[in-house]
Amino acid sequence: DAKTTQPPSMDCAEGRAANLPCNHSTISGNEYVYWYRQIHSQGPQYIIHGLKNNETNEMASLIITEDRKSSTLILPHATLRDTAVYYCIVRPRMDSSYKLIFGSGTRLLVRP
Amino acid sequence: GAGVSQSPRYKVAKRGQDVALRCDPISGHVSLFWYQQALGQGPEFLTYFQNEAQLDKSGLPSDRFFAERPEGSVSTLKIQRTQQEDSAVYLCASTKRQPTETNNSPLHFGNGTRLTVT
Repeated sequence: DAKTTQPPSMDCAEGRAANLPCNHSTISGNEYVYWYRQIHSQGPQYIIHGLKNNETNEMASLIITEDRKSSTLILPHATLRDTAVYYCIVRPRMDSSYKLIFGSGTRLLVRP
Repeated sequence: GAGVSQSPRYKVAKRGQDVALRCDPISGHVSLFWYQQALGQGPEFLTYFQNEAQLDKSGLPSDRFFAERPEGSVSTLKIQRTQQEDSAVYLCASTKRQPTETNNSPLHFGNGTRLTVT
């Protein structure tokens, strides 16, 4: 079972920041938060991951609350190409099966 | 460099036919995964290989599903006697790290094979 809760859909205007929330209230100390996205007719694409500190890369920023029970993925200047389903996933730091368990994700629509 | 390649991109099969779906992972990637994605749903895990060893097949929905990776590189997912409920996108992913290492190496996914069973 997915261990995260995300809103089913969101939208934002092109050029504005998109803030995608995720609740993971049962996360344990050895679990990372991962974000993937899936553009229509493509496979999922890795975006970013973090353990407890905020993280930033060329695609996005990840803000994790101090209690680690929730996080927010931020796309600072959304473009039409960011329209996709965004998946928030928690997974153990050491996992013998190494598999990702996807939920239903958030469908983000970027409006022109 | 090339990413994960899957073929065919689309496959239409009549109910009862056997199908074989191919995955070419990124060169040198140790771990390989198969996922099934029904329309409007997130991907669901099917099976996992470390090199040629199939270490987890807990997600395979029935004994009609079989996967192999005989030389530790290319993998094939075979579905025997296809049924309409097998219609889905089948995704393959690979990663370079082994699971006993810290798992902060992301999975790289192919674009999938869309299987339609009529």
